[in-house]
Amino acid sequence: GQSLEQPSEVTAVEGAIVQINCTYQTSGFYGLSWYQQHDGGAPTFLSYNGLDGLEETGRFSSFLSRSDSYGYLLLQELQMKDSASYFCAVRFDSNYQLIWGAGTKLIIKP
Amino acid sequence: ETGVTQSPTHLIKTRGQQVTLRCSSQSGHNTVSWYQQALGQGPQFIFQYYREEENGRGNFPPRFSGLQFPNYSSELNVNALELDDSALYLCASSKGLAGDNEQFFGPGTRLTVL
Repeated sequence: GQSLEQPSEVTAVEGAIVQINCTYQTSGFYGLSWYQQHDGGAPTFLSYNGLDGLEETGRFSSFLSRSDSYGYLLLQELQMKDSASYFCAVRFDSNYQLIWGAGTKLIIKP
Repeated sequence: ETGVTQSPTHLIKTRGQQVTLRCSSQSGHNTVSWYQQALGQGPQFIFQYYREEENGRGNFPPRFSGLQFPNYSSELNVNALELDDSALYLCASSKGLAGDNEQFFGPGTRLTVL
């Protein structure tokens, strides 16, 4: 079957760096996306990795290793507003279905 | 540029009823995807419409159906509502098929089935 795993909760300190991991089991992998969702809000797109390597967008970076079926989201210079849930999502096959992880709740302490 | 809008924002129905949720896609986007999100869980892909055709469907029964109109707005219809259908329903639009492209989400419709 197709599944994604990510930690349910991560705690970090304001100004620090945090990494949120995502592992997947699949066949026919096409790409890994990351979304942020604040409580009561809609998901917003952060990044997409279609090929191995690191993608950087400001304070956020995302990494993919297809051989390890693994990716991560790296958040630097954490701010209180980064407190949210972070979801990895994978397109697995030519059906264009996007499978989402259960989400990682990021708690930031001052 | 107008973002993705959904209506209604909240809805209460009883078991067995039918419901229609609406979504207006962002200008220039030809693809709409629908998701169901239960509290504390990730969005579950229902289906995707690309240029008025269904293109991809998740593990949802046939009583979940949809439409996409020529202006790329979309409807999600759910028949024979069950208690487990209570959730936040999100639509997302994109330029091209989801999974390869950034999706822009609407604020969602909170459906409660009693």
